Formats: sequence, structure tokens, C-alpha cells
Amino acid sequence: DAKTTQPNSMESNEEEPVHLPCNHSTISGTDYIHWYRQLPSQGPEYVIHGLTSNVNNRMASLAIAEDRKSSTLILHRATLRDAAVYYCILSRRSGGSNYKLTFGKGTLLTVNP
Amino acid sequence: DTAVSQTPKYLVTQMGNDKSIKCEQNLGHDTMYWYKQDSKKFLKIMFSYNNKELIINETVPNRFSPKSPDKAHLNLHINSLELGDSAVYFCASSQGLRDTEAFFGQGTRLTVV
Repeated sequence: DAKTTQPNSMESNEEEPVHLPCNHSTISGTDYIHWYRQLPSQGPEYVIHGLTSNVNNRMASLAIAEDRKSSTLILHRATLRDAAVYYCILSRRSGGSNYKLTFGKGTLLTVNP
Repeated sequence: DTAVSQTPKYLVTQMGNDKSIKCEQNLGHDTMYWYKQDSKKFLKIMFSYNNKELIINETVPNRFSPKSPDKAHLNLHINSLELGDSAVYFCASSQGLRDTEAFFGQGTRLTVV
């Protein structure tokens, strides 16, 4: 399985930007980088994904290093509702044309009021 | 409308019993999954179905048998429940996985006593 490395936990203050790092040095050319988050007592929720270029959506931005061996999820203004475990995942082929998401330990983000 | 719905939300049962968890998605996706999240919060994929065909089976005991009557449903039947089966089970769906997002249900918390 494709491996990613994230800090166990991070803290942020409300309304400040948050940069969540992820290392994926064994990424292959066809692996997409996905970010999901899991709020307490809920199922994982899609945040963003990308291949090579930086990506923006209404929830966050994804900055991908030029060599693709690392990426950073950026929450522009953290709110208390952003407190969650954030997972950085590589989607990798698992037989035929099928892909699967393999979750790691993730980063527990705490947002202080 | 809930995109991916699971029933029941909570399930408490005795060792040795047989139980089922149901999952339905109304997104028109062709791929559905079952994930297990244990007490240490690790999310592991168990099964993946594409157009009612099993495509991923991640060394799950034979006591677990997924059944997909149609593309919108993927049920999980568990025979002879054991204490170690206690976990939260998440159903998910996607249209492929490489470069699209997966939608997760709210989870079923199974407690075996």
C-alpha cells in the first residue's frame, strides 16, 4: 500500500490559516493525492484531491510539491467545525482498473477559540 | 436526502449471533465499499464491489460476507460474531476512485458482548 506520513496532531487558533503537511515519498506517477477528514462520531468526508497542480475548492487548497513527494492541505481560516482527523491518502490501483483508498493514522487538528 | 445511508446505526449483540448491516446509496455510483474502524481508530478497507461484482477482498474472515443485490445496495452479513468484531463499520460509494471522491455513510457501531 502507498504510504503517507503525517504529524499525529496539530493545533490552530480560530480564524487563522492551517497548513497540514503530508509526505508521500514513494508516490508513483499515476497516484492521486486525496485528503479526507473525519469529524467526531461521523464518517470520513472528502476534502480535496489532486495529481500535480495545486487545487482549490470551497473547503480548502491543496499545494503539491513539484516532485510530488509531499503536499500540504491549507485551511484558509480555521473554524471550530474544522476540528477533525485529517487523512492524506494516495489512491492506488488495486487490481485491474480498480483503485482503493488506504487510510493512515491521520492528523488530529485541534482548533482553539 | 442522505447520499449513503446505513442501518442500523447501533447494533449490540451477543457472541455467536449472526447479524446484517445494510447500506444504500442514491448517487448512482457503480462502486461501493465496506470499511472497518477499530478501537484505535484505524480505518481499513474490507470489501469493494463494482457493478455488483466483488473486486477487493482484504483478507477478511469468511464469517464476513458482503452481498450486493443491485448497484445501489451493499449489505454486510456477519456470522458467528466474535468480541473482536466490535468496531464501527462504514459503507462508502464512489464513481471509480482514482480521481473522484468517495462518499461515506455515518457508520454502524457494532458491539459484541
